[in-house]
Amino acid sequence: DSGVTQTPKHLITATGQRVTLRCSPRSGDLSVYWYQQSLDQGLQFLIQYYNGEERAKGNILERFSAQQFPDLHSELNLSSLELGDSALYFCASSVGGGAGPGNTIYFGEGSWLTVV
Amino acid sequence: DAKTTQPTSMDCAEGRAANLPCNHSTISGNEYVYWYRQIHSQGPQYIIHGLKNNETNEMASLIITEDRKSSTLILPHATLRDTAVYYCIVRLYGNKLVFGAGTILRVKS
Repeated sequence: DSGVTQTPKHLITATGQRVTLRCSPRSGDLSVYWYQQSLDQGLQFLIQYYNGEERAKGNILERFSAQQFPDLHSELNLSSLELGDSALYFCASSVGGGAGPGNTIYFGEGSWLTVV
Repeated sequence: DAKTTQPTSMDCAEGRAANLPCNHSTISGNEYVYWYRQIHSQGPQYIIHGLKNNETNEMASLIITEDRKSSTLILPHATLRDTAVYYCIVRLYGNKLVFGAGTILRVKS
């Protein structure tokens, strides 16, 4: 158990709908990361927040957005869903916002999203 | 972040050491080498990381060459539960981890 909690574990929704994925980081971690893993794309970095502020952005679609709240949990909002958005979405967390020995990133078990 | 090159797949007999190589010839002086693994759609699991020196923990050992252009992850006594995709990642202050295709390790009885 990494200590990173993601909900829901599984979600099935229709095209055009909107969903929210939730992540609780490990206790004491200030950074939250979101990744997408689909069959044909591998693990893709979406976005990172550090202590409530956006720190880095990857291949995140405009239909997707995220935020980190004052209690440090994070939500990933996916809207106007398409079939191709079906994927595993991972949240990860770390203590700080940079590299280094004290900043190992730990992953949750993911949220399976199926768009039908 | 520097790119890494790993073999697509490897096989290992159960109980034997699994040695997973990684090339990172463009690594810079302050970039760390991280290893993660992913067991069938579970969340990536941190294994070990290092900068210059060899490192060992309860899961594995990491051997980094003196010129830091390559490294080897060693699982000393592989079990069937070690079957997974293993990712070698070079990481600087670019906070994120950039995953490549990794190495599929199959441990066979």
